[in-house]
Amino acid sequence: KQEVTQIPAALSVPEGENLVLNCSFTDSAIYNLQWFRQDPGKGLTSLLLIQSSQREQTSGRLNASLDKSSGRSTLYIAASQPGDSATYLCAVDHDTGFQKLVFGTGTRLLVSP
Amino acid sequence: NAGVTQTPKFQVLKTGQSMTLQCAQDMNHNSMYWYRQDPGMGLRLIYYSASEGTTDKGEVPNGYNVSRLNKREFSLRLESAAPSQTSVYFCASSIGTAATNEKLFFGSGTQLSVL
Repeated sequence: KQEVTQIPAALSVPEGENLVLNCSFTDSAIYNLQWFRQDPGKGLTSLLLIQSSQREQTSGRLNASLDKSSGRSTLYIAASQPGDSATYLCAVDHDTGFQKLVFGTGTRLLVSP
Repeated sequence: NAGVTQTPKFQVLKTGQSMTLQCAQDMNHNSMYWYRQDPGMGLRLIYYSASEGTTDKGEVPNGYNVSRLNKREFSLRLESAAPSQTSVYFCASSIGTAATNEKLFFGSGTQLSVL
């Protein structure tokens, strides 16, 4: 059974720092990996999707990498801002024919001014 | 630009009561999903609908039923609510072109408490 783990569970940094969030998964046979952002009381917003054939994806200050063979992904946030404060979740799509995402429990990020 | 709309946002039920969570999307997406989010467990898939007229079980379907009313709407029904169904429920949609690499779009959630 696919399991997704995110470490650390919570992270607090001062504004301006570069930071890395980690995601690991137990079954490397995945189709893609997505990183989501969740604000308190809100739904999830997809940030980046990395296909299994890709190594990384970038969007603005965000860069996500994927090492499928080792079962790991990282989300790099450059020059963090207070507006980046949220919970970040990763999810893998590991089933055939249709998306059935398996989610990690998330990393709660707080960026202080 | 409404996206995925869920109603209600909050609900309190007594054990044994029934209710239906509503979800609608205006993005002309084919596929829709229901997830539940519990502390320390991440989101888990309850049911999904690959296209209008089809529904399938996800990881945790017991105690729930779904209806894909039309292309826009996908409802989740609790026939006899139990305290274990206290959770935050999210509806999501995707384009659903049979490709696996599609982003999901989520609603803002329904916080359900069963007493």
